[in-house]
Amino acid sequence: DIVMTQTPLSSPVALGQPASISCRSSQSLEYSDGNTYLSWIQQRPGQPPRLLIYQISKRFSGVPDRFSGSGAGTDFTLKISRVEAEDVGFYYCLQATQFPYTFGQGTKVEI
Amino acid sequence: EVQLVESGGGLVQPGGSLRLSCAASGFTFRNSWMTWVRQAPGKGLEWVANINEDGSEKYYVDVVKGRFTISRDNAERSLFLQMSRLGVDDTGIYYCARGMTTESWGQGIVVTVSS
Repeated sequence: DIVMTQTPLSSPVALGQPASISCRSSQSLEYSDGNTYLSWIQQRPGQPPRLLIYQISKRFSGVPDRFSGSGAGTDFTLKISRVEAEDVGFYYCLQATQFPYTFGQGTKVEI
Repeated sequence: EVQLVESGGGLVQPGGSLRLSCAASGFTFRNSWMTWVRQAPGKGLEWVANINEDGSEKYYVDVVKGRFTISRDNAERSLFLQMSRLGVDDTGIYYCARGMTTESWGQGIVVTVSS
């Protein structure tokens, strides 16, 4: 199974400041079709999860442009350019390149 | 608007069974892979199972293989998760999600395995 490792596990940040979360996979996430199926999922307190980013850097419908994803191969990053109060919660990376799909442990973003 | 509504959760004794359902609307269900993800109390997300558009391909996380069965009824726009030989470690919130990469999520349904 592909192991997804996120750092940090907790990220205190001031409002209006940037935040960055790293996700590393135990093997390359590039699929045979040339795409890399790495997504970022947000879970606000008491809410169901929500897709933010798919295929490394594509923002899902309705996601603010302060969220961006980057990376390749085994190293990926989610950046929030200016943290807002509504961004508090947990963030998970998800690999959907190889079954079984696997999530990272989650990173708590707090103000 | 995409809507996914889970049902069928509840309290069950260890060794028991439950069948979860997920009613889908707002998108072309028969053209979508579907996913079950769970979350143990206070823990992170765990991918459980996927099923392809016509139900001919099914994939599971190792810890549920042989105990859980994912299925779907495209005519009824419904996704199912039949769970048997449940253990306390299966306790949590179960979410159904649209697509292989979880484009949309339901609100989740609570499953509690306890004696």
